[in-house]
Amino acid sequence: EVQLVESGGDLVKPGGSLRLSCAASGFTFSNAWMAWVRQAPGRGLEWVGRIKIRAHGGTSDYAGVVNGRFTISRDDSKNTLYLEMNSLKTEDTAVYYCTTNDWNYGHFDHWGQGTLVSVSS
Amino acid sequence: QSVLTQPPSVSGAPRQRVTISCSGSTSNVGDNGVNWYQQFPGKAPKLLIYYDDLVPSGVSDRFSGSRSGTSASLAIRGLQSEDEADYYCSSWDDRLNALVFGGGTKVTVL
Repeated sequence: EVQLVESGGDLVKPGGSLRLSCAASGFTFSNAWMAWVRQAPGRGLEWVGRIKIRAHGGTSDYAGVVNGRFTISRDDSKNTLYLEMNSLKTEDTAVYYCTTNDWNYGHFDHWGQGTLVSVSS
Repeated sequence: QSVLTQPPSVSGAPRQRVTISCSGSTSNVGDNGVNWYQQFPGKAPKLLIYYDDLVPSGVSDRFSGSRSGTSASLAIRGLQSEDEADYYCSSWDDRLNALVFGGGTKVTVL
């Protein structure tokens, strides 16, 4: 059974930093593109970014609103995905979901339960 | 303002058929597959339809998807109370080089 467990969500002040983790199990993590999707309170889904597998270059793509502030990385030896968030803004307040990202059709087939990041002074 | 446009809400009586539209442009829906997700309050989204009309294992065949030009749609056949949820479409946007979502549609069973 595929499991994605996010952690690291917290209350942080504007301008601060935070790192989220996503522990994966039940599939071959090193062979899976991964992504982060967030949802602000009472709002819709918003793509944050994705990271490809090493065989596909291991590169990342980001939404414009987080590009330059957020960094997605992966440790295939630990089956863990990360989201490093810097220069946080109040508008980054959201539940952050870790997802698997099918590279053929682009859909998110498995989702974690989410972790809440609150940015407030 | 979302790149993909969905109606905020759709409603129907039990056993009715309802459809949710997802309107985009040539850089996203017009050129790339559309995926649909279902989300209940306080829960993570769940994949419902991928690549326009493919149904993942375990998803009811009452759900179907289609795409034509720069628009896509999700149909729910035989509406049930358990279908009350929020539904989101998504597609890759070649111009933005980003994945874009619709604003979401709340389905209410009357």
